[in-house]
Amino acid sequence: AQSVSQHNHHVILSEAASLELGCNYSYGGTVNLFWYVQYPGQHLQLLLKYFSGDPLVKGIKGFEAEFIKSKFSFNLRKPSVQWSDTAEYFCAVNPFQGAQKLVFGQGTRLTINP
Amino acid sequence: ETGVTQSPTHLIKTRGQQVTLRCSSQSGHNTVSWYQQALGQGPQFIFQYYREEENGRGNFPPRFSGLQFPNYSSELNVNALELDDSALYLCASSRDNQPQHFGDGTRLSIL
Repeated sequence: AQSVSQHNHHVILSEAASLELGCNYSYGGTVNLFWYVQYPGQHLQLLLKYFSGDPLVKGIKGFEAEFIKSKFSFNLRKPSVQWSDTAEYFCAVNPFQGAQKLVFGQGTRLTINP
Repeated sequence: ETGVTQSPTHLIKTRGQQVTLRCSSQSGHNTVSWYQQALGQGPQFIFQYYREEENGRGNFPPRFSGLQFPNYSSELNVNALELDDSALYLCASSRDNQPQHFGDGTRLSIL
């Protein structure tokens, strides 16, 4: 079945460590790609998106992601995490043209220890 | 700018009952999507409304239905509630094919 997979269910890091969260999808053709973050007690917020162009996209709060078409991947990275990055991170794919109808991964819970 | 607002925040129902959840879109947005997020899972697409018409549907049975109003607000209705319907229901609005903005969700518990 077509899907979005996030490899890590729970990641625990110390402050200043580097972060990489994996995301793979199984849709062919043109897709739009997203990373959303959900801080404790808050709604889903868009971190970054890829529609076309430069496969390395920069988002808010120092996050970036790289689209590798040949690997069907869109991994999220941050060089140095902070305690405030503790949250749930969701990768999402829109495999449809036009309006967004997102397919989400199961999420990765990130815990940053001070 | 007012964001996406959902009501109620929490709701408890029993099996077989019907429920209506409400969503007010962010100002300037014409598209509303609904998602179901079970505990420990990512959101699953239920359906989308654009200009008051259903514009795509996920793998949910017909007892999940919706409406969009001329002011772009929306309702999600679920009939004949089942235990597995217990979840967080998220509404997201957008302008055409731009990224979606999510509300805080309605937590629905079925007893």
